[in-house]
Amino acid sequence: EDQVTQSPEALRLQEGESSSLNCSYTVSGLRGLFWYRQDPGKGPEFLFTLYSAGEEKEKERLKATLTKKESFLHITAPKPEDSATYLCAVRDSGTYKYIFGTGTRLKVLA
Amino acid sequence: DTAVSQTPKYLVTQMGNDKSIKCEQNLGHDTMYWYKQDSKKFLKIMFSYNNKELIINETVPNRFSPKSPDKAHLNLHINSLELGDSAVYFCASSQQFGGAEETQYFGPGTRLLVL
Repeated sequence: EDQVTQSPEALRLQEGESSSLNCSYTVSGLRGLFWYRQDPGKGPEFLFTLYSAGEEKEKERLKATLTKKESFLHITAPKPEDSATYLCAVRDSGTYKYIFGTGTRLKVLA
Repeated sequence: DTAVSQTPKYLVTQMGNDKSIKCEQNLGHDTMYWYKQDSKKFLKIMFSYNNKELIINETVPNRFSPKSPDKAHLNLHINSLELGDSAVYFCASSQQFGGAEETQYFGPGTRLLVL
Protein backbone atom coordinates (compact mmCIF):
# COMPACT_ATOMS: atom_id res chain seq x y z
CA GLU A 1 0.00 0.00 0.00
CA ASP A 2 1.24 3.48 -0.87
CA GLN A 3 2.48 5.36 2.15
CA VAL A 4 4.20 8.66 2.89
CA THR A 5 5.71 9.37 6.32
CA GLN A 6 7.21 12.68 7.32
CA SER A 7 9.50 13.39 10.25
CA PRO A 8 9.82 15.09 12.55
CA GLU A 9 6.21 16.01 13.19
CA ALA A 10 7.28 19.39 14.55
CA LEU A 11 10.58 21.26 14.56
CA ARG A 12 11.66 24.42 16.31
CA LEU A 13 14.81 26.14 15.07
CA GLN A 14 16.62 29.29 15.98
CA GLU A 15 17.08 31.74 13.14
CA GLY A 16 20.16 30.67 11.20
CA GLU A 17 20.11 27.10 12.53
CA SER A 18 20.12 24.79 9.50
CA SER A 19 18.26 21.47 9.54
CA SER A 20 16.55 18.85 7.37
CA LEU A 21 13.05 17.48 7.06
CA ASN A 22 12.51 13.88 6.02
CA CYS A 23 9.89 12.29 3.76
CA SER A 24 9.94 8.49 3.49
CA TYR A 25 7.74 6.87 0.91
CA THR A 26 6.52 3.48 -0.26
CA VAL A 27 4.93 3.28 -3.69
CA SER A 28 4.79 0.63 -6.36
CA GLY A 29 6.29 3.09 -8.82
CA LEU A 30 7.25 6.71 -8.27
CA ARG A 31 6.03 9.14 -10.87
CA GLY A 32 7.03 12.20 -8.89
CA LEU A 33 7.69 13.51 -5.39
CA PHE A 34 6.38 16.94 -4.52
CA TRP A 35 7.11 19.37 -1.71
CA TYR A 36 4.58 21.97 -0.66
CA ARG A 37 4.52 24.69 1.95
CA GLN A 38 1.31 25.44 3.84
CA ASP A 39 0.80 28.57 5.91
CA PRO A 40 -1.95 28.66 8.57
CA GLY A 41 -5.37 29.21 7.06
CA LYS A 42 -4.12 28.82 3.47
CA GLY A 43 -3.87 26.16 0.83
CA PRO A 44 -0.61 24.32 0.10
CA GLU A 45 1.82 26.18 -2.13
CA PHE A 46 4.06 24.30 -4.52
CA LEU A 47 7.82 24.27 -3.87
CA PHE A 48 9.53 21.44 -5.81
CA THR A 49 9.01 18.36 -7.92
CA LEU A 50 11.59 15.57 -8.01
CA TYR A 51 11.32 12.69 -10.44
CA SER A 52 14.34 10.43 -10.06
CA ALA A 53 16.85 9.34 -7.42
CA GLY A 54 19.81 11.67 -7.24
CA GLU A 55 17.85 14.68 -8.39
CA GLU A 56 18.19 17.93 -6.43
CA LYS A 57 16.30 21.22 -6.63
CA GLU A 58 17.03 24.51 -4.89
CA LYS A 59 15.08 27.65 -4.15
CA GLU A 60 16.48 30.35 -1.90
CA ARG A 61 17.21 28.69 1.47
CA LEU A 62 15.55 25.40 0.53
CA LYS A 63 17.07 22.40 -1.18
CA ALA A 64 15.21 19.17 -1.91
CA THR A 65 16.93 15.85 -2.60
CA LEU A 66 15.60 12.44 -3.57
CA THR A 67 16.71 8.83 -3.07
CA LYS A 68 14.85 5.64 -3.91
CA LYS A 69 13.20 5.56 -0.49
CA GLU A 70 13.13 9.10 0.83
CA SER A 71 13.45 12.79 0.20
CA PHE A 72 14.99 15.49 2.31
CA LEU A 73 14.14 19.15 2.45
CA HIS A 74 17.22 20.97 3.69
CA ILE A 75 16.74 24.43 5.15
CA THR A 76 19.88 26.54 5.31
CA ALA A 77 20.06 29.50 7.70
CA PRO A 78 16.29 29.69 8.11
CA LYS A 79 14.43 32.89 8.85
CA PRO A 80 11.19 33.37 10.83
CA GLU A 81 9.28 33.72 7.54
CA ASP A 82 10.17 30.11 6.74
CA SER A 83 7.84 29.02 9.54
CA ALA A 84 5.09 26.89 8.02
CA THR A 85 3.98 23.30 7.60
CA TYR A 86 5.94 21.50 4.91
CA LEU A 87 4.06 18.75 3.10
CA CYS A 88 5.49 15.98 0.98
CA ALA A 89 3.40 14.12 -1.61
CA VAL A 90 4.10 11.30 -4.04
CA ARG A 91 2.36 10.30 -7.23
CA ASP A 92 2.06 6.61 -7.88
CA SER A 93 2.94 5.79 -11.49
CA GLY A 94 0.43 2.93 -11.56
CA THR A 95 -2.65 4.50 -10.05
CA TYR A 96 -1.66 8.14 -10.61
CA LYS A 97 -2.93 8.80 -7.10
CA TYR A 98 -1.46 11.70 -5.18
CA ILE A 99 -0.64 10.71 -1.57
CA PHE A 100 0.29 13.31 1.00
CA GLY A 101 2.28 12.90 4.20
CA THR A 102 1.09 14.43 7.45
CA GLY A 103 3.58 17.27 7.26
CA THR A 104 6.30 18.81 9.41
CA ARG A 105 5.37 21.94 11.33
CA LEU A 106 8.41 24.20 11.30
CA LYS A 107 8.79 27.14 13.65
CA VAL A 108 11.81 29.42 13.25
CA LEU A 109 12.46 31.69 16.20
CA ALA A 110 14.04 35.12 15.82
CA ASP B 1 -6.08 37.38 -10.16
CA THR B 2 -6.77 34.37 -7.97
CA ALA B 3 -5.75 31.17 -9.76
CA VAL B 4 -7.97 28.74 -7.82
CA SER B 5 -10.88 30.18 -5.87
CA GLN B 6 -13.40 28.56 -3.57
CA THR B 7 -16.67 29.74 -2.08
CA PRO B 8 -17.63 29.99 0.64
CA LYS B 9 -14.52 30.40 2.76
CA TYR B 10 -16.39 29.44 5.92
CA LEU B 11 -19.47 27.28 6.29
CA VAL B 12 -21.21 26.62 9.60
CA THR B 13 -24.27 24.43 9.45
CA GLN B 14 -26.43 21.99 11.36
CA MET B 15 -26.21 18.22 11.18
CA GLY B 16 -28.51 16.80 8.52
CA ASN B 17 -28.37 19.82 6.23
CA ASP B 18 -27.25 19.76 2.58
CA LYS B 19 -24.56 22.17 1.44
CA SER B 20 -22.43 22.92 -1.61
CA ILE B 21 -18.91 24.24 -2.08
CA LYS B 22 -17.86 25.80 -5.36
CA CYS B 23 -14.46 25.89 -7.01
CA GLU B 24 -13.20 27.74 -10.05
CA GLN B 25 -9.77 27.85 -11.69
CA ASN B 26 -8.61 30.36 -14.27
CA LEU B 27 -5.36 28.58 -15.14
CA GLY B 28 -6.71 26.72 -18.15
CA HIS B 29 -5.98 23.40 -16.47
CA ASP B 30 -7.63 20.14 -17.50
CA THR B 31 -7.69 18.44 -14.10
CA MET B 32 -9.32 19.42 -10.83
CA TYR B 33 -9.37 17.79 -7.41
CA TRP B 34 -11.14 17.86 -4.08
CA TYR B 35 -9.19 17.16 -0.90
CA LYS B 36 -10.25 16.91 2.74
CA GLN B 37 -7.86 18.11 5.44
CA ASP B 38 -8.71 16.89 8.91
CA SER B 39 -7.88 18.40 12.28
CA LYS B 40 -4.47 16.70 12.24
CA LYS B 41 -3.71 18.45 8.96
CA PHE B 42 -3.75 15.22 6.95
CA LEU B 43 -4.65 15.97 3.35
CA LYS B 44 -6.57 13.19 1.64
CA ILE B 45 -7.79 13.15 -1.93
CA MET B 46 -11.50 12.64 -2.45
CA PHE B 47 -12.16 13.11 -6.16
CA SER B 48 -10.42 14.08 -9.34
CA TYR B 49 -11.93 15.21 -12.64
CA ASN B 50 -10.14 15.42 -15.98
CA ASN B 51 -11.90 17.34 -18.72
CA LYS B 52 -15.18 17.08 -16.79
CA GLU B 53 -14.84 13.30 -16.37
CA LEU B 54 -14.46 11.61 -13.00
CA ILE B 55 -11.12 9.78 -12.88
CA ILE B 56 -10.42 9.32 -9.17
CA ASN B 57 -13.10 8.46 -6.67
CA GLU B 58 -11.67 7.50 -3.31
CA THR B 59 -13.64 5.71 -0.63
CA VAL B 60 -15.90 8.61 0.17
CA PRO B 61 -19.48 8.32 1.47
CA ASN B 62 -21.98 8.69 -1.34
CA ARG B 63 -23.38 11.70 0.49
CA PHE B 64 -20.56 13.54 -1.26
CA SER B 65 -21.24 14.22 -4.92
CA PRO B 66 -18.89 16.22 -7.13
CA LYS B 67 -20.05 17.93 -10.30
CA SER B 68 -18.00 19.50 -13.05
CA PRO B 69 -20.13 21.68 -15.34
CA ASP B 70 -17.04 22.63 -17.35
CA LYS B 71 -13.26 22.33 -17.20
CA ALA B 72 -12.88 25.42 -15.06
CA HIS B 73 -15.37 24.47 -12.35
CA LEU B 74 -15.67 21.62 -9.87
CA ASN B 75 -18.34 21.77 -7.21
CA LEU B 76 -18.88 19.54 -4.21
CA HIS B 77 -22.33 18.84 -2.85
CA ILE B 78 -22.72 17.20 0.53
CA ASN B 79 -26.02 15.67 1.65
CA SER B 80 -27.11 14.95 5.21
CA LEU B 81 -24.08 16.52 6.83
CA GLU B 82 -22.56 14.70 9.81
CA LEU B 83 -20.30 15.91 12.62
CA GLY B 84 -17.38 13.99 11.11
CA ASP B 85 -17.62 16.02 7.92
CA SER B 86 -16.18 19.01 9.77
CA ALA B 87 -12.83 19.73 8.10
CA VAL B 88 -11.17 22.04 5.62
CA TYR B 89 -11.94 21.17 2.01
CA PHE B 90 -9.41 22.16 -0.62
CA CYS B 91 -9.90 22.36 -4.32
CA ALA B 92 -6.85 22.03 -6.56
CA SER B 93 -6.04 21.93 -10.25
CA SER B 94 -3.21 20.69 -12.43
CA GLN B 95 -2.38 21.12 -16.08
CA GLN B 96 -3.26 17.59 -17.07
CA PHE B 97 -3.72 14.21 -15.47
CA GLY B 98 -0.73 11.97 -15.86
CA GLY B 99 1.06 14.53 -17.97
CA ALA B 100 4.57 15.88 -17.62
CA GLU B 101 3.46 18.86 -15.56
CA GLU B 102 1.61 17.56 -12.52
CA THR B 103 2.09 20.37 -10.04
CA GLN B 104 -1.14 21.02 -8.22
CA TYR B 105 -2.35 24.50 -7.44
CA PHE B 106 -4.57 24.76 -4.39
CA GLY B 107 -7.41 27.06 -3.49
CA PRO B 108 -7.62 28.81 -0.11
CA GLY B 109 -9.87 26.15 1.41
CA THR B 110 -13.41 26.04 2.75
CA ARG B 111 -13.69 25.57 6.49
CA LEU B 112 -16.77 23.49 7.20
CA LEU B 113 -18.10 23.17 10.72
CA VAL B 114 -21.07 20.89 11.36
CA LEU B 115 -22.87 21.48 14.64
